[in-house]
Amino acid sequence: QVQLVQSGAEVKKPGASVKVSCKASGYTFTSYDINWVRQATGQGLEWMGWMNPNSGNTGYAQKFQGRVTMTRNTSISTAYMELSSLRSEDTAVYYCARMPEQVGWFDPWGQGTLVTVSS
Amino acid sequence: SYVLTQPPSVSVAPGKTARITCGGNNIGSKSVHWYQQKPGQAPVLVIYYDSDRPSGIPERFSGSNSGNTATLTISRVEAGDEADYYCQVWDSRDVVFGGGTKLTVL
Repeated sequence: QVQLVQSGAEVKKPGASVKVSCKASGYTFTSYDINWVRQATGQGLEWMGWMNPNSGNTGYAQKFQGRVTMTRNTSISTAYMELSSLRSEDTAVYYCARMPEQVGWFDPWGQGTLVTVSS
Repeated sequence: SYVLTQPPSVSVAPGKTARITCGGNNIGSKSVHWYQQKPGQAPVLVIYYDSDRPSGIPERFSGSNSGNTATLTISRVEAGDEADYYCQVWDSRDVVFGGGTKLTVL
């Protein structure tokens, strides 16, 4: 079955960077875009951007431009999201999700990775 | 930027019908997707392209979209439907989520 498995929880200090991985299985990794969405505790969903695993092309939400980098390693079917210059407001669960069609929906989602930013 | 407005909460008795709205300027011209999220879990797609159901989602879940409002309808509500529900669209090159609606089953 199609599955996205993310890396484990992280604790980072303000100003540091974090890199979250998302390993895909059950389908051809390069055939579908991967999107990243985050959710602060008790809050709603916030879209961060997308990456095309075939070309490596990316598109980022304006809020994260300059701070986020989305990459991939096609040999191991894994997508990565790196967020830099972390601040306490970046404390959230970060999800990856497959997008079956261009400008479409997200299905399935990874299990989420909690990133805690604290001094 | 495009804004999607959802009611913060909706309450419904078991066996009744719940309707969760998602308002946006001329949202009827966009494709709307809906997600269910239970506490501590990742979101799950329940409706895509306004009204299509993924495999495995009960027929009790349906969707519509017209004018300035999209609606997720859950018929014969069960206790297991209690969750947060989010609508989602693409606006230009950005994804927009609604603020979410907490469905409470009384």
